[in-house]
Amino acid sequence: GNSVTQMEGPVTLSEEAFLTINCTYTATGYPSLFWYVQYPGEGLQLLLKATKADDKGSNKGFEATYRKETTSFHLEKGSVQVSDSAVYFCALSEGNTNAGKSTFGDGTTLTVKP
Amino acid sequence: GAVVSQHPSRVICKSGTSVKIECRSLDFQATTMFWYRQFPKKSLMLMATSNEGSKATYEQGVEKDKFLINHASLTLSTLTVTSAHPEDSSFYICSAGVLMYEQYFGPGTRLTVT
Repeated sequence: GNSVTQMEGPVTLSEEAFLTINCTYTATGYPSLFWYVQYPGEGLQLLLKATKADDKGSNKGFEATYRKETTSFHLEKGSVQVSDSAVYFCALSEGNTNAGKSTFGDGTTLTVKP
Repeated sequence: GAVVSQHPSRVICKSGTSVKIECRSLDFQATTMFWYRQFPKKSLMLMATSNEGSKATYEQGVEKDKFLINHASLTLSTLTVTSAHPEDSSFYICSAGVLMYEQYFGPGTRLTVT
C-alpha cells in the first residue's frame, strides 16, 4: 500500500532561518504529492502540490520538488517567519483512486521564535 | 479558492447521545467528500469516502453503524456519531474532492463526549 514518511518533529527555528522538512513516500503508481499546513484549531490548507516527476510546487516562499528517483518531496523555505508556525503534512494521492483520496504523513510541528 | 464549511465547530455531548456534523461545499459542487478523524498530535485517518446519492465507502476498522454518513446533495454531507462514547472524542475533518488529485478541507469539528 501507499505510505508517507515525514521528518519527526517538533522543529524549532529562529526567525529568518532556513527550513527543511523531509518527506519520502511509497506508492504503487505515479502519485501526485502535496504539502498541507494546519494552524492551531483549524482544518488543513493546501500549501503546494506537484503532479509529476521533476515538478516544483511553490507558494508563500515554500518550495518542494517531486523527486521520483529518491521518492521524496522535501519542503523548504529560505527564511521562515513567526507566522509560519504550524503543523505541516506531506501527502500523496493516486490518480486511479477516488478524486482526492489521500495518504498523509504524521505531520511535523514547526515553531518559529522571534 | 473552493470553500468548505463544517458545523458545528465544537460540540460537547453526553455519553450515549448522537451527534450530527455537517460538511458543506459553499461555492462548488462536490461529488465526492471525505471524512477524516484526527487524534491529538497525530495525522489524519481517513474514515470514509462519501459519494453523492450512494452509500459511503468505509475504511477498514471503521464501524459504519456507528459513524453514519449521508451525502444527500452535491453540496452537503453529514456524519452522525451514534451512541457516542468518550473514546469517540476527536477532531473530525471533512474534505471535498474537486479535481482528480485535489481536495479542499473544512475547518474541522471538535467533538468532546463526557
